[in-house]
Amino acid sequence: AQKITQTQPGMFVQEKEAVTLDCTYDTSDPSYGLFWYKQPSSGEMIFLIYQGSYDQQNATEGRYSLNFQKARKSANLVISASQLGDSAMYFCAMREGPFAQAGTALIFGKGTTLSVSS
Amino acid sequence: DTEVTQTPKHLVMGMTNKKSLKCEQHMGHRAMYWYKQKAKKPPELMFVYSYEKLSINESVPSRFSPECPNSSLLNLHLHALQPEDSALYLCASSQDRDRTGYTFGSGTRLTVV
Repeated sequence: AQKITQTQPGMFVQEKEAVTLDCTYDTSDPSYGLFWYKQPSSGEMIFLIYQGSYDQQNATEGRYSLNFQKARKSANLVISASQLGDSAMYFCAMREGPFAQAGTALIFGKGTTLSVSS
Repeated sequence: DTEVTQTPKHLVMGMTNKKSLKCEQHMGHRAMYWYKQKAKKPPELMFVYSYEKLSINESVPSRFSPECPNSSLLNLHLHALQPEDSALYLCASSQDRDRTGYTFGSGTRLTVV
């Protein structure tokens, strides 16, 4: 069974609009971390935002916010005021366990391609 | 230094060649990872090194051979690859007891001809 599910292969949005990228996850570990990464065509994996399973508040980083609904096991990324430079592939990823301990690898979803137009 | 450096950035090799990919970090991270990523697909975990010991091998074919000579360096030795092995190879590192501390390199784009 997939641990991270991203159901939107592609999303299209106009500049200055907000967009939500969906992510659901599956784990039986009570302690875990959820990550969002942006990958432009150059290939580098750019860290955007992190949410821990015990964090009381939803994470925010500038124009990025994470809509964390623990009971639904969802961690959607919200990008406010989209920019042309936001066009890229976006991956949701999970770490099971409280820390990146003893080599706990990130598990990635299939990704969503975001296209921002003017 | 907060980076993971991967070399080379691009590599074209024949199916009979032997080559190596290199990954280096000086952040004191004690876990290092190799991922393989095909176009428009997510990264797939290949190997994990923890404290310089191989802890995870995700059933990777033996034509890929990882090596961790020291805590800062991770190599991926390639031999007798197939064209389907062409992909972006990403290295990452992480620190114990750090919730968010995964750092990725910019990758090596490998083409097997």
